[in-house]
Amino acid sequence: DAGITQSPRHKVTETGTPVTLRCHQTENHRYMYWYRQDPGHGLRLIHYSYGVKDTDKGEVSDGYSVSRSKTEDFLLTLESATSSQTSVYFCAIADRFGEQYFGPGTRLTVT
Amino acid sequence: KNEVEQSPQNLTAQEGEFITINCSYSVGISALHWLQQHPGGGIVSLFMLSSGKKKHGRLIATINIQEKHSSLHITASHPRDSAVYICAAQGGGADGLTFGKGTHLIIQP
Repeated sequence: DAGITQSPRHKVTETGTPVTLRCHQTENHRYMYWYRQDPGHGLRLIHYSYGVKDTDKGEVSDGYSVSRSKTEDFLLTLESATSSQTSVYFCAIADRFGEQYFGPGTRLTVT
Repeated sequence: KNEVEQSPQNLTAQEGEFITINCSYSVGISALHWLQQHPGGGIVSLFMLSSGKKKHGRLIATINIQEKHSSLHITASHPRDSAVYICAAQGGGADGLTFGKGTHLIIQP
C-alpha cells in the first residue's frame, strides 16, 4: 500500500469553527489531491497540488483553502465550517504515471 | 467540464455470473480510472488505462477512446466482489479526477 495517512480520522465540530485536515505521504510523490464524498454526488475534487507551494482549485473549492509547505504534507482548511461541509474527505497522491492512491478518509461532521 | 456517467447504478447478481459495468464520458481524457470501495472502507485503484484493455486476475477493463466509453468486467463473480465500483476520468497531466456516481454491486452466494 502507498504510504498515505490522514488525520484526524473522525471529527465533530461546530458551525463557524476552523478545521484543518492533514494528509501525509511517505512516497515523495509530486501530486496530491483533496476530494470529498457525499451521497448523491459521489466524489468531487476540492483542491490539488502539483508541488510545494503550487496548488489549484477543483470543482468544489469554495469555503476551503489548502497549503503545501513540504512535499509530504497537504493541509485542507475549512476557515469557518458549515453544515454543508459535513462529508467524508479523501486525500490522494499520484505517481509519475498518474495512478492515484487514496488515503483512508476523514469523516467530518459539522453540527 | 467532463461529465462521467455510469450504469447500472445498482446491480445484484448470483455468484459465478459475468458482470459488466459501463462508463461513458463527454470530453477527451488522458486516462480512465476504475476504483473499488467496500462498505465503510477506503478506495482502491483497480485500473488506469488510456487505450485498449487491461486484465488483473478476474477483472478486465476496456476503453474505446473514439466512443468515449469504458467497461469493467468481472468474470466468475464472488461475494467478496461486492463493493461500489467507480469510474473516473482524468484530463491532462496533474488534473484531478472527475468521478461517476458509482455502481453498487452485490454478489449473492
